[in-house]
Amino acid sequence: EAGVVQSPRYKIIEKKQPVAFWCNPISGHNTLYWYRQNLGQGPELLIRYENEEAVDDSQLPKDRFSAERLKGVDSTLKIQPAELGDSAVYLCASSLVPRAPYEQYFGPGTRLTVT
Amino acid sequence: GQQVMQIPQYQHVQEGEDFTTYCNSSTTLSNIQWYKQRPGGHPVFLIQLVKSGEVKKQKRLTFQFGEAKKNSSLHITATQTTDVGTYFCAGPIQGAQKLVFGQGTRLTINP
Repeated sequence: EAGVVQSPRYKIIEKKQPVAFWCNPISGHNTLYWYRQNLGQGPELLIRYENEEAVDDSQLPKDRFSAERLKGVDSTLKIQPAELGDSAVYLCASSLVPRAPYEQYFGPGTRLTVT
Repeated sequence: GQQVMQIPQYQHVQEGEDFTTYCNSSTTLSNIQWYKQRPGGHPVFLIQLVKSGEVKKQKRLTFQFGEAKKNSSLHITATQTTDVGTYFCAGPIQGAQKLVFGQGTRLTINP
């Protein structure tokens, strides 16, 4: 089966510019996650969707970050405007819920560099 | 809030040596998951442990969940260059839907 697809793989932008990341989860996975991974750190959850509903966005910096998952399939994460501190790898993951054991399948990530 | 801590942060070994990484949680976990991230890659699920004192093996990898379900370990016997990467443990909160990742242990191997 196809894995989680993300695009673009790399993005370099200047600060204050907008940027968007796209994710297509594994077919049939109704739960989708966006993580941010800083260098040398573990992934940190930004937002979790169950179908099209954002059920946990407590870690999403809502002043500049937004996300959507229309139709409960693919998702877009946007940053506007980007700041230097947003440089990181943005990972999308999906899982099949409610079947245990809830392992998450990660996409290749988008490496964002803000200059 | 709940924290998941891993030690060591880095480990460099000679090929053929053993390797162990430890994971500790500030709270009791319903289960614990382990992921491996190769350099430049993304986290890949390895295993989940659920039961107190559980031990699982995958070839040269041995995973253990503590009796109190607050700690876990991953042991690799006779490391190979293919074992290079960062190993993360992750514990679920909020009804097993939200994973909190440790900071990872980065393993490098001298061939």
